[in-house]
Amino acid sequence: GESVGLHLPTLSVQEGDNSIINCAYSNSASDYFIWYKQESGKGPQFIIDIRSNMDKRQGQRVTVLLNKTVKHLSLQIAATQPGDSAVYFCAENRAAGNKLTFGGGTRVLVKP
Amino acid sequence: DAGVTQSPTHLIKTRGQQVTLRCSPKSGHDTVSWYQQALGQGPQFIFQYYEEEERQRGNFPDRFSGHQFPNYSSELNVNALLLGDSALYLCASSSGRMNTEAFFGQGTRLTVV
Repeated sequence: GESVGLHLPTLSVQEGDNSIINCAYSNSASDYFIWYKQESGKGPQFIIDIRSNMDKRQGQRVTVLLNKTVKHLSLQIAATQPGDSAVYFCAENRAAGNKLTFGGGTRVLVKP
Repeated sequence: DAGVTQSPTHLIKTRGQQVTLRCSPKSGHDTVSWYQQALGQGPQFIFQYYEEEERQRGNFPDRFSGHQFPNYSSELNVNALLLGDSALYLCASSSGRMNTEAFFGQGTRLTVV
């Protein structure tokens, strides 16, 4: 079936390095994508979103890239900090009305 | 400006019982969605309320029902609880019918024993 998935379940990164989290989606009709950060015991926190008419969008220390040709989404975190340690989810919005389909998540561990 | 608030934060229920979870959306938001997140997994969409009606529904049984009030707050009800219903239940609020940023609450941790 159609799904949103992630390539790596766990990513270990040195403090100060850049992190790249990848996500694949299978529904070519999807037109809105969101990255969420979830810390232990908390709800998902919005990081950045991108619409299908864009290839790239930048925020504070984060960049999302969208490759519609291969149905791939990535989140880049610059100068990763200990506070970036969390589980990151990509979510796909397939229809109007914010019905989000989440992938399984990638855990990012920042080493000091 | 308060964000999305959920209550209670934790809850323990016995198999077969019924439970009601509550959510107040972010100020200015009129759409509330509910998600179930099992341990170690991503959130799964349960249903969504807009203008006091269920607008969309995921693959959850009829034991899961909800309601939205005129002030946009919402309740999630689960009847005949099963052990497998143990999860973090998340509420997300957004605005209108377009695809926009959805804000999540802290969730309610439900444990069924």
